[in-house]
Amino acid sequence: NAGVTQTPKFRILKIGQSMTLQCAQDMNHNYMYWYRQDPGMGLKLIYYSVGAGITDKGEVPNGYNVSRSTTEDFPLRLELAAPSQTSVYFCASSPKSGTGDEKLFFGSGTQLSVL
Amino acid sequence: GQNIDQPTEMTATEGAIVQINCTYQTSGFNGLFWYQQHAGEAPTFLSYNVLDGLEEKGRFSSFLSRSKGYSYLLLKELQMKDSASYLCAVMDSNYQLIWGAGTKLIIKP
Repeated sequence: NAGVTQTPKFRILKIGQSMTLQCAQDMNHNYMYWYRQDPGMGLKLIYYSVGAGITDKGEVPNGYNVSRSTTEDFPLRLELAAPSQTSVYFCASSPKSGTGDEKLFFGSGTQLSVL
Repeated sequence: GQNIDQPTEMTATEGAIVQINCTYQTSGFNGLFWYQQHAGEAPTFLSYNVLDGLEEKGRFSSFLSRSKGYSYLLLKELQMKDSASYLCAVMDSNYQLIWGAGTKLIIKP
């Protein structure tokens, strides 16, 4: 089982450039999430999805967009990259939510620098 | 506002016991999670508590007191590989996870 596959692992962008972070899971999980992790801070939720075709904003959605055309894939799009988007990004999935006891399965992360 | 507090860093000796505390103030409560994160890696699930009391899993145990808004993670027989950050997260009334900043645990020989 591959679990949650996230690419790329590292990327350097220039201010104003755009890119897409890819995330795929093979566990047939309904829920998928994008988080960013800044040094000394807790994980911040950017966007999440409860199933194909359904997405919703998290705590820090500005500057990002997502889509969920299939159960497996949940790409994160950065438009007009800014230095404030320098961070480590994690994609995660869980089998369902609403009952409280679902653990998250994380991808390996993307270290993004915007210069 | 919602808040999760845990110490920034702790140091312990190989073979010893360490307790990492987490206090929380959230809008509702639907469970508390502990995750382990080695440097440069993704978080991995350690434990889940929704009822008061102690949950034991091998060398790791997690305790919850909902009335006090308090949890701790207890690590016994510490090994060098336990050097990592330990993240506390609470699921609020909307089933959204609120994350603490994490506790960096340093194990010395």
